[in-house]
Amino acid sequence: GAVVSQHPSWVICKSGTSVKIECRSLDFQATTMFWYRQFPKQSLMLMATSNEGSKATYEQGVEKDKFLINHASLTLSTLTVTSAHPEDSSFYICSASPRVATNEKLFFGSGTQLSVL
Amino acid sequence: GNSVTQMEGPVTLSEEAFLTINCTYTATGYPSLFWYVQYPGEGLQLLLKATKADDKGSNKGFEATYRKETTSFHLEKGSVQVSDSAVYFCALSKASGTYKYIFGTGTRLKVLA
Repeated sequence: GAVVSQHPSWVICKSGTSVKIECRSLDFQATTMFWYRQFPKQSLMLMATSNEGSKATYEQGVEKDKFLINHASLTLSTLTVTSAHPEDSSFYICSASPRVATNEKLFFGSGTQLSVL
Repeated sequence: GNSVTQMEGPVTLSEEAFLTINCTYTATGYPSLFWYVQYPGEGLQLLLKATKADDKGSNKGFEATYRKETTSFHLEKGSVQVSDSAVYFCALSKASGTYKYIFGTGTRLKVLA
């Protein structure tokens, strides 16, 4: 099946620094990519939807200036957590929707565990 | 609003035991329902789905039936294997043509040999 590579799988950073997470569709082109966040014992929550070449659409309550999303190509989307703070520590996961219709409509990365000290 | 509630884990079973992971939902209209599985170190993978009431999704020995009267989509398997150890997510999609899924918290399953 289609593969989505997410990198890094885990990252530890100091408070105030920025962290970039990459999401790549390895064998298909993705017109739309999604970013989710999951806090411990809570649901996987959609943060934003990004379409190639246009600005991301953020869900209510998600700060667009803090979570910068770039979807510069049909195979790559990046999420940058700017000036990270301990409350941003969470599990972040991306998914990609293929440009060409397939039986399975969404493919997920393996996630990134972010810990901010 | 729309939401998904699934049983808290972890669930620990012996091999060949019967598995049930409960999932209930709240939604307006007629959502599609999904179960995703995440094996260690991998991305979420679609396990099965159902798009309308009374539909039964099945795959790899797992089954779930879309019960509108009880707003449930419980995941079952008659005989689990060690290789089924993973995190299972229940999800709904609010409308056709959208990929905005609403997920539950995930339930970790551990199967012991």
